[in-house]
Amino acid sequence: QPVLTQSSSASASLGSSVKLTCTLSSGHSSYIIAWHQQQPGKAPRYLMKLEGSGSYNKGSGVPDRFSGSSSGADRYLTISDLQSEDEADYYCETWDSNSWVFGGGTKLTVL
Amino acid sequence: QVQLQESGPGLVKPSETLSLTCAVSDYSISSDYYWGWIRQPPGKGLEWIGSLYPSGSTYHNPSLKSRVTISLDTSKNQFSLKLSSVTAADTAVYYCARHKAAEGTDYWGQGTLVTVSS
Repeated sequence: QPVLTQSSSASASLGSSVKLTCTLSSGHSSYIIAWHQQQPGKAPRYLMKLEGSGSYNKGSGVPDRFSGSSSGADRYLTISDLQSEDEADYYCETWDSNSWVFGGGTKLTVL
Repeated sequence: QVQLQESGPGLVKPSETLSLTCAVSDYSISSDYYWGWIRQPPGKGLEWIGSLYPSGSTYHNPSLKSRVTISLDTSKNQFSLKLSSVTAADTAVYYCARHKAAEGTDYWGQGTLVTVSS
């Protein structure tokens, strides 16, 4: 089963950009992942599907400020022009053999 | 826009069975998606519990498999979760969700807090 590793926290200033990382375990570097945003007290929200090629497809209504990219086993979520509402937990997700797994999440603080 | 809404008791006694239902709107659960349950203990991350495909095939997190039952009611366009022999460690917000192989979880319910306590 794949394992997803995320940093526990990140911070960046209002109006700047931040790049969050999700790393796939050995042997799973080609896997597709999804990124989700969870604002405080709310349910997670699907942001995008991200392939190993770096190609991504965003969910409905996701702002252009959100983009994805990939390098080897690493999957990235970049948020540009950070807004206060971007302060949230961000989770990556993948799946294999009819089971799903989530990373531990990154708590993003907007300074 | 697909909508999912969880319902069920917010308090369950230890050793009893937790039962939740997810009502799906604006999409037929008989179509080509998996329907699943994910939970989040207070202050912690997300944990996949299990999922069901319209064909009737079910899949469970190995750590919970023996306690989990997921079923589909196509007549009501809803699906259900039963988790037996609960303990305080099962206290969590429970989310129902839709997911598709190769695309991930694209719709989530709003979540419902279930507390296990006597």
